[in-house]
Amino acid sequence: QQQVKQSPQSLIVQKGGISIINCAYENTAFDYFPWYQQFPGKGPALLIAIRPDVSEKKEGRFTISFNKSAKQFSLHIMDSQPGDSATYFCAASIGWAGTASKLTFGTGTRLQVTL
Amino acid sequence: EPEVTQTPSHQVTQMGQEVILRCVPISNHLYFYWYRQILGQKVEFLVSFYNNEISEKSEIFDDQFSVERPDGSNFTLKIRSTKLEDSAMYFCASSPTGSPLHFGNGTRLTVT
Repeated sequence: QQQVKQSPQSLIVQKGGISIINCAYENTAFDYFPWYQQFPGKGPALLIAIRPDVSEKKEGRFTISFNKSAKQFSLHIMDSQPGDSATYFCAASIGWAGTASKLTFGTGTRLQVTL
Repeated sequence: EPEVTQTPSHQVTQMGQEVILRCVPISNHLYFYWYRQILGQKVEFLVSFYNNEISEKSEIFDDQFSVERPDGSNFTLKIRSTKLEDSAMYFCASSPTGSPLHFGNGTRLTVT
């Protein structure tokens, strides 16, 4: 019940295209859903996060769409650039600020943006 | 921008040996974590630490593992008797309020 399922495992998108990565969860107690970006040899870095009281959050070219009833959330990268090539992890936790909440990560999506 | 610093970047050890992985969290952060990532797999939670004690630990974090904040700046993960399956990238993370987490660049542990 603690799992977060992520798809696809890998994704190739042309420069300027839209990258879409999907995640699904089972535990309805999750109330914080961040996306992390990881470059080779580096730690995960927070990209964008959402809480279930909103259905969408946009920051620049990155948008999270959240469907509470379906227990799904997705990351959309608009106008994908070669510099976006990285591994993307969705995650979920119970509680956020004020608690030492653990993140449950998805299995990751390796994104490659081609010229 | 402040960073979480981890040392060493790569540690090679023999099975059965003890290792200590070191982390310097961001200075005003109060919550500390260790995660690990086996090559090519997802990032897994090991332990969280707040107010000088463990807040939560996963089933991976058995008696062979321990954490310590020996002074005001360092946060360490000790593995007492390493096994081959402990080979992974270990990430330290810190947070001012519990979220969001700021990760270091990791220590690659290779157990031979």
